[in-house]
Amino acid sequence: KQEVTQIPAALSVPEGENLVLNCSFTDSAIYNLQWFRQDPGKGLTSLLLIQSSQREQTSGRLNASLDKSSGRSTLYIAASQPGDSATYLCAASDYGQNFVFGPGTRLSVLP
Amino acid sequence: EPEVTQTPSHQVTQMGQEVILRCVPISNHLYFYWYRQILGQKVEFLVSFYNNEISEKSEIFDDQFSVERPDGSNFTLKIRSTKLEDSAMYFCASSQLRTAKETQYFGPGTRLLVL
Repeated sequence: KQEVTQIPAALSVPEGENLVLNCSFTDSAIYNLQWFRQDPGKGLTSLLLIQSSQREQTSGRLNASLDKSSGRSTLYIAASQPGDSATYLCAASDYGQNFVFGPGTRLSVLP
Repeated sequence: EPEVTQTPSHQVTQMGQEVILRCVPISNHLYFYWYRQILGQKVEFLVSFYNNEISEKSEIFDDQFSVERPDGSNFTLKIRSTKLEDSAMYFCASSQLRTAKETQYFGPGTRLLVL
């Protein structure tokens, strides 16, 4: 059964810093892996999706990498801004396309 | 940009009552999903739906739960007899296809509180 973990659970950084969020999954037979952002009390916003055949995806200041062999994905955020403050979730899908979510990393970017 | 919508945004109900949570997926999407997030816990998969039938369901999705696409636009989750532990945020999601490059788009959620 797939298990997804994320470290750290919470992170606080000053504005402008580059940062890395980590996601680990136990079953490397994933279909794809998706990073989401969740603002307090709100829904999930998809940030990046990496197919199992890919190694990374980029969107603006965000870069996500995937290493299936080690069961890891990272989300790199460059030049962080206060507006980046949110909880970041990673989710791995199996061939049924049903996501298994990690617990999230709560990010605070201080002005 | 098209988006998934959900109603109501909040619902309070008494234990044992039936509730129906409604979702309008993105119009050209074919696959529909329900997830839930108990406060402070992970988002959990409940069920996926395609071509008017359940594709997959988790062990959470027991006989108290049902899903339906009553018309061409709505997708509903019914909880027949709510329990206190059903209190959670319920998210609907949809995707156009079911390929590795396909993103699931999530709605804003319905916060259900069972008293």
